[in-house]
Amino acid sequence: AQSVTQLGSHVSVSEGALVLLRCNYSSSVPPYLFWYVQYPNQGLQLLLKYTSAATLVKGINGFEAEFKKSETSFHLTKPSAHMSDAAEYFCAVSLSGNTPLVFGKGTRLSVIA
Amino acid sequence: EADIYQTPRYLVIGTGKKITLECSQTMGHDKMYWYQQDPGMELHLIHYSYGVNSTEKGDLSSESTVSRIRTEHFPLTLESARPSHTSQYLCASSELGTSSYEQYFGPGTRLTVT
Repeated sequence: AQSVTQLGSHVSVSEGALVLLRCNYSSSVPPYLFWYVQYPNQGLQLLLKYTSAATLVKGINGFEAEFKKSETSFHLTKPSAHMSDAAEYFCAVSLSGNTPLVFGKGTRLSVIA
Repeated sequence: EADIYQTPRYLVIGTGKKITLECSQTMGHDKMYWYQQDPGMELHLIHYSYGVNSTEKGDLSSESTVSRIRTEHFPLTLESARPSHTSQYLCASSELGTSSYEQYFGPGTRLTVT
């Protein structure tokens, strides 16, 4: 069975600093990987996804993530944090299109002015 | 932009009441899901459906039930609400048989049972 571990339930960065949110997965086969963002009182919005094409994936709002099979990781980064990036971030994995996504527990990102 | 709707957005009800949370999508997606989200953020899959007349229970045991009579509609029902049902409920949908696999989420229903 697949699983996702997000290291750090809360990450705090200064405005303009690098954002790094960690995600490690466990899967017996090459997975499909996703990052979602959730703003207060809203549903989840897709930031980016990895579906076995390029290992470096670019998403919306300047975020990107790199799939590293040897490290079973899919960390999310953004070079310069903005106040509007403050939100909850979820990493998710799926083995195929026929299985529901499995979500990590989420990481709350705070951005300090 | 994804077209998936949930009503009501907020609901406060008393213990023992029967409630139905509505979820509709206009994208023609075959797959639909219900998640329960803890105050601490974690999402738990409680029900899913891969098409009309198809429903499955998810990873988290839930006292709720669902139905899928129409492709676009996936309501969730609690026969007798309890304070332990207080949570945020998120509905999602996705296409079947494509390579995208991403799920589109509704805005959620925040339920409080007093």
